[in-house]
Amino acid sequence: DTAVSQTPKYLVTQMGNDKSIKCEQNLGHDTMYWYKQDSKKFLKIMFSYNNKELIINETVPNRFSPKSPDKAHLNLHINSLELGDSAVYFCASSSSMGQGAGYGYTFGSGTRLTVV
Amino acid sequence: SQKIEQNSEALNIQEGKTATLTCNYTNYSPAYLQWYRQDPGRGPVFLLLIRENEKEKRKERLKVTFDTTLKQSLFHITASQPADSATYLCALGRTGGYNKLIFGAGTRLAVHP
Repeated sequence: DTAVSQTPKYLVTQMGNDKSIKCEQNLGHDTMYWYKQDSKKFLKIMFSYNNKELIINETVPNRFSPKSPDKAHLNLHINSLELGDSAVYFCASSSSMGQGAGYGYTFGSGTRLTVV
Repeated sequence: SQKIEQNSEALNIQEGKTATLTCNYTNYSPAYLQWYRQDPGRGPVFLLLIRENEKEKRKERLKVTFDTTLKQSLFHITASQPADSATYLCALGRTGGYNKLIFGAGTRLAVHP
């Protein structure tokens, strides 16, 4: 199946721990994103990579570090987890054809992170 | 700062009627606007794209309008069905932005039999 797949789907962890979320797409897209959806349901962009190059880095604590080993993979590592990090994290991919041509995103099914 | 507003209250309609959802924005000049559908526990699914030089786009039972003067998009679902019940998100982007999208919080639509 062609898709964006992210793992794990659920993640429950204690404050202070370090965790990673992995994302892979087999759509041939050149751009991948991490979005955070908070309790009020707003989706906020965190990072974006185009062909393994970081192109968008919003105001995110430096405890969050994305890594893209190749254009089909984008991982998110979070250090020293805090209660406020609890949210649903979505990976997405799209074509870009340069600096934005309005291509629709394909989203993964999300990772629900709960920090206790 | 830029702001996108969608009706925060749920929209309840009867099956067969037309659902109309609104997306308003301020302090932003988008080159395009997209609509997504999100079901509980799932990621958003792309539905339609409309560009700033387009007034209207259609896809099957879906219709989107884009008025850059009013800074508003309307999303219509005709002949609505209970299966259309979901949250619908609008998202804005502009050229030179690496396809970065800014999302509204969404409007929940409930279609009743």
